[in-house]
Amino acid sequence: RKEVEQDPGPFNVPEGATVAFNCTYSNSASQSFFWYRQDCRKEPKLLMSVYSSGNEDGRFTAQLNRASQYISLLIRDSKLSDSATYLCVVNEGMFSGGYNKLIFGAGTRLAVHP
Amino acid sequence: EAGVTQFPSHSVIEKGQTVTLRCDPISGHDNLYWYRRVMGKEIKFLLHFVKESKQDESGMPNNRFLAERTGGTYSTLKVQPAELEDSGVYFCASSPEVDYGYTFGSGTRLTVV
Repeated sequence: RKEVEQDPGPFNVPEGATVAFNCTYSNSASQSFFWYRQDCRKEPKLLMSVYSSGNEDGRFTAQLNRASQYISLLIRDSKLSDSATYLCVVNEGMFSGGYNKLIFGAGTRLAVHP
Repeated sequence: EAGVTQFPSHSVIEKGQTVTLRCDPISGHDNLYWYRRVMGKEIKFLLHFVKESKQDESGMPNNRFLAERTGGTYSTLKVQPAELEDSGVYFCASSPEVDYGYTFGSGTRLTVV
């Protein structure tokens, strides 16, 4: 079983649509959680951190359910520029011990069309 | 502020040759990380430096890979001898503190033929 699992997609949606990505992780001791965005042949870039209370950044909302080991990302009012691969990322490091190690999912491709 | 810089951006080498990748972190970032993505797989952790010390090298695949960070500034990752399965994109990242988010470099695309 993979440590971080995501639906690979692709998700093909029209502009203005709402799209949701899901992710599960296997290590219940994981410390922190993120969504990264990766454009074709580019480096991953941090989109947002994910907190148990849920957090929102403009059109993007992230949720974490620690009991179910489940992470989600909701994108509202999709734009053409949202087309990218979205990576679910779990930090299995131990900050108190100085360790900081990201575990990446394989990513979910999103294609927004006019 | 300059970002994380990686050299070269692309490298094509023959199986059995040696390749050295370089990463210049953001100035003042003590933490430096190497990751790689091989074809069809997810991005995988290789190792983590704090200044010049290896904090965690649990992701290094085998002893053909050698990472160094002399003086705690830039880092090199040497693959010797390269094998076909080493092909992929090698990313470097840095952070000022261990619990800060990473900034990734644009990667080195390595092709072993």
